[in-house]
Amino acid sequence: QVQLVESGGGVVQPGGSLRLSCVASGFKFSDYGMHWVRQAPGKGLEWVAFIRDDGSRKFYADSVKGRFTISRGNSKNTLYLQMNSLRTEDTAVFYCAKDRYLGGDHFDYWGQGTLVTVSS
Amino acid sequence: EIVMTQSPATLSVSPGERATLFCRASQTVSSNLAWYQQKPGQAPRLLIYGASTRATGIPARFSGSGSGTEFTLTISSLQSEDSAAYYCQQYDDWPPWTFGQGTKVEIK
Repeated sequence: QVQLVESGGGVVQPGGSLRLSCVASGFKFSDYGMHWVRQAPGKGLEWVAFIRDDGSRKFYADSVKGRFTISRGNSKNTLYLQMNSLRTEDTAVFYCAKDRYLGGDHFDYWGQGTLVTVSS
Repeated sequence: EIVMTQSPATLSVSPGERATLFCRASQTVSSNLAWYQQKPGQAPRLLIYGASTRATGIPARFSGSGSGTEFTLTISSLQSEDSAAYYCQQYDDWPPWTFGQGTKVEIK
């Protein structure tokens, strides 16, 4: 069965950095696009970033462009999100999600999420 | 960017009754529309894709309809375990992939 397990969340000061990881299993990771989606406390879902199966294309939400970097290690079945220059408004649960195909489709599986708190 | 608008914000329905949730897109998304269910403290779960196709393992009481800019999610006979937030998402024109603000379904 498909499993996505995020890690790396925690408390960080404004301006700090954090790297999230998402380990995938139960499917051929290198064949699918992957996304990061976040949810601020008590709020709705916000798409953050996407990476194609082979890492050749990456897209970002305007709110994180220039500060966040998505990457993947297909040999390790792992998705990453490097977050720099963090702001208090980045406080959220971050989910990794599998695209149904290479990219540009709906998200058929989600991880349980990892909480990022940006606070002084 | 395509803006997704859901209504109502909150829906209170008695067990066994029908619940109808609405989602509107600011421009056409064809049938590239998904619905997700999120229970408190849990990750979202895919319910419907292609506007009307149920995902694997989703009970038949959940159905989706619509195309273009107007979509509906119907829960035909509400069960207690259906208490959750429901989000629509368009994947027709990206980036960004965009979600509605959600509808919270409560059991009366």
